[in-house]
Amino acid sequence: NAGVTQTPKFRVLKTGQSMTLLCAQDMNHEYMYWYRQDPGMGLRLIHYSVGEGTTAKGEVPDGYNVSRLKKQNFLLGLESAAPSQTSVYFCASSPGGANLYEQYFGPGTRLTVT
Amino acid sequence: KNEVEQSPQNLTAQEGEFITINCSYSVGISALHWLQQHPGGGIVSLFMLSSGKKKHGRLIATINIQEKHSSLHITASHPRDSAVYICAPSQDMRFGAGTRLTVKP
Repeated sequence: NAGVTQTPKFRVLKTGQSMTLLCAQDMNHEYMYWYRQDPGMGLRLIHYSVGEGTTAKGEVPDGYNVSRLKKQNFLLGLESAAPSQTSVYFCASSPGGANLYEQYFGPGTRLTVT
Repeated sequence: KNEVEQSPQNLTAQEGEFITINCSYSVGISALHWLQQHPGGGIVSLFMLSSGKKKHGRLIATINIQEKHSSLHITASHPRDSAVYICAPSQDMRFGAGTRLTVKP
């Protein structure tokens, strides 16, 4: 099993450009999450999904959109990138149910917006 | 809104020392997650606990639900334990800012 994978691993964007980050998991998990991690701050939840076709806002959703068309994939989109979105982005998944809070993380995507 | 505080923010120890990292939170929870973030950035799960104590090798995690406090202990610390340790009282998916541990040989 690959677990949780993220593509790309690195990306540099110019202000105003758009991009999509892909998260894929092969553990048949119901729940998927997108976080951002900034220096000196903890992981902050951007959006999450409790199942195929569902999405919900987290703590810092502004400037991002997500989609979960297939259970194994969770996409994070930036429609018009801003320098404030320079960060490391982590995707995670969890089985839900009794193990709701046990999350498995992807390797991260380092995004720089100039 | 769950406020999460970890202490200390940074910790340097000599190899072999006993390490304690603390996590306090403000809202009642049903479970708490301890994570380890390697110097390369990868994040792995260490413990998920809802009461009492759990042990895995040299790592021990304890939680006091009434006092809204959890601790992570590392016995006989080793340089390979150097990492950022993150607690997540995950009722609302909030994480502590992490404790950066450096263990010197």
